[in-house]
Amino acid sequence: DQQVKQNSPSLSVQEGRISILNCDYTNSMFDYFLWYKKYPAEGPTFLISISSIKDKNEDGRFTVFLNKSAKHLSLHIVPSQPGDSAVYFCAATSTSYGKLTFGQGTILTVHP
Amino acid sequence: GAGVSQTPSNKVTEKGKYVELRCDPISGHTALYWYRQSLGQGPEFLIYFQGTGAADDSGLPNDRFFAVRPEGSVSTLKIQRTERGDSAVYLCASSSKRPGGTDTQYFGPGTRLTVL
Repeated sequence: DQQVKQNSPSLSVQEGRISILNCDYTNSMFDYFLWYKKYPAEGPTFLISISSIKDKNEDGRFTVFLNKSAKHLSLHIVPSQPGDSAVYFCAATSTSYGKLTFGQGTILTVHP
Repeated sequence: GAGVSQTPSNKVTEKGKYVELRCDPISGHTALYWYRQSLGQGPEFLIYFQGTGAADDSGLPNDRFFAVRPEGSVSTLKIQRTERGDSAVYLCASSSKRPGGTDTQYFGPGTRLTVL
């Protein structure tokens, strides 16, 4: 039972354009969502998060949007840079738990 | 400040052997988590400590896996009678989570375990 899904295994964009990574979840108990970036041979690095009381959170080039009714969130990167090339994981949790539930990841490649 | 550290970075062992993986969390973080990541998948939860006690061990796959955090800081994940299917990257994360709150977990670089 995959409670967090990232349906696109990979995404390729041109430098300077927008990257949009998507994530869907099924568990209504989730109330806090995070995006992590992972380079090979490193642990996941926290990027940005959003609480379920908000529908948008921005941090520099990164914006996360949350649509609770659709149980969908997305990460927008504008403008995309070659250094953004990595695997991006969506994760979800709840004030009732400690653990994060991760999606399968999306490989983002930004071409110069 | 120093992030989460994990040792060893790589561990190769033979089937049936015992291994210990160590995690040093960020100083002052009360919560510590272990996850396991197989190739092509996202990290999967194993166990969560709040202080010295295991608050949730529902992700441990069987009784060959055990973890401790005796002084509320460093944690050790112990795997007995290793099997080839245990091969994965074992990730540790820590946070300042208090019970009933949400938080951001910060990950270490992981230990790559290979069971031959």
